[in-house]
This record gives sequence, structure tokens and C-alpha cells, in this order.
Amino acid sequence: DAGITQSPRYKITETGRQVTLMCHQTWSHSYMFWYRQDLGHGLRLIYYSAAADITDKGEVPDGYVVSRSKTENFPLTLESATRSQTSVYFCASRQGINTEAFFGQGTRLTVV
Amino acid sequence: KQEVTQIPAALSVPEGENLVLNCSFTDSAIYNLQWFRQDPGKGLTSLLLIQSSQREQTSGRLNASLDKSSGRSTLYIAASQPGDSATYLCAVLNNAGNMLTFGGGTRLMVKP
Repeated sequence: DAGITQSPRYKITETGRQVTLMCHQTWSHSYMFWYRQDLGHGLRLIYYSAAADITDKGEVPDGYVVSRSKTENFPLTLESATRSQTSVYFCASRQGINTEAFFGQGTRLTVV
Repeated sequence: KQEVTQIPAALSVPEGENLVLNCSFTDSAIYNLQWFRQDPGKGLTSLLLIQSSQREQTSGRLNASLDKSSGRSTLYIAASQPGDSATYLCAVLNNAGNMLTFGGGTRLMVKP
């Protein structure tokens, strides 16, 4: 299906484990983003990518790693999960600076 | 640092009313502003995108205005329906095009 898809939709992991959240878009958009949404903090930018092999930190990057070897994929890895990383994670994409951003359905991550 | 505020945080109206949601931002150096809707447990759906050079955008029963110099945007919803019940988020894109900063949202309930 066309669009932006995230997997898994739900994930429970243990403290200290590595976990990767996947994001795939079919539009060949240049820009891709990872946000986390928390009560009291709203949506905050973790990392973004302007093109394949180009990534940069957002507002809250600590504890996360991203890569973008292909335009359509932008995985987010929690190297050693902590309880404070329990959140809903959203991936988004945008073709250019003057175009709409489109969001995936989110991944609800619980770290126990 | 850009700060985006949405007032009111919650709003309950009877079906058929016209309503206005407000969004304000502290730094007027923005590239564009985007309005989203989010249903419970779902991702964000793009409603309208206003470029910094534009004053307003319309889509169906929705009209968004932008006053960049005063740091304000409004989303006008005409003839509200129960299906409009959702959280509405505004977000501003910085001039570098790499950070979309979100407001805390307005939770709207339209009663039949």
C-alpha cells in the first residue's frame, strides 16, 4: 500500500535491550523524521534525515540511533532501552521544505 | 527556542456550531504552518498547510489563517459534526526546514 508505514505497532521490551522501530514510505520523499509523543511534552523531534545517508539530531536524540541507507526506510534504534523511552513513536516524511508532512500510525513502545 | 501554544486545551460544542481553534508561536521566522488532526490511538492526519507568504487556506469546511508577524494562526471549522471530534494540532516549520515544532493540541468534542 502507498503511504508511510511503521512496524511494529506495539512493542514491549525490557530495560537494557536493543530495539529497532521500522519506518517505510513509498513516496520517495526526501525528508524523514522521528518524533516521540508523551503526555505533558507533546510531540518532540528525535532525529531527521534530509536524504539517504544524511541524518541529524533533533530536540531529544540521546539514547537513539538512526540510519538511512535507502530513501524509503528510516529505522530508529534504541541501543539500550530505558523506562523513560516508553512512549508513542511517530515517523513522518515530506518531499520538500514547502510540502506537507505525513505521519505514520505510530508505534507504542513500553519499556519494563 | 520556538514555542507553540494552543488555546483552548479542550473544547466541547453542540453539533452545528462554527468554531475557532487558536495557535500562537513565539518566533515569526517560520517557513510554513501545518494543521493536523489526531484521533485517539491514531497517527496525525494533515489538514491544511499554509506557507509563510500566505494568509489563509481552505479545505471543505476548514479554513486556516496565518498572521506571521503577530505569531498567530486560527483554524475555523464550519458547521461542526460529531465526526470532527479529535485533537487538533498546529505545527510550525523553521526556516531551515528541519524542525516542525508542535503545539500541545486542542481536544475537540462535538456533541450530537
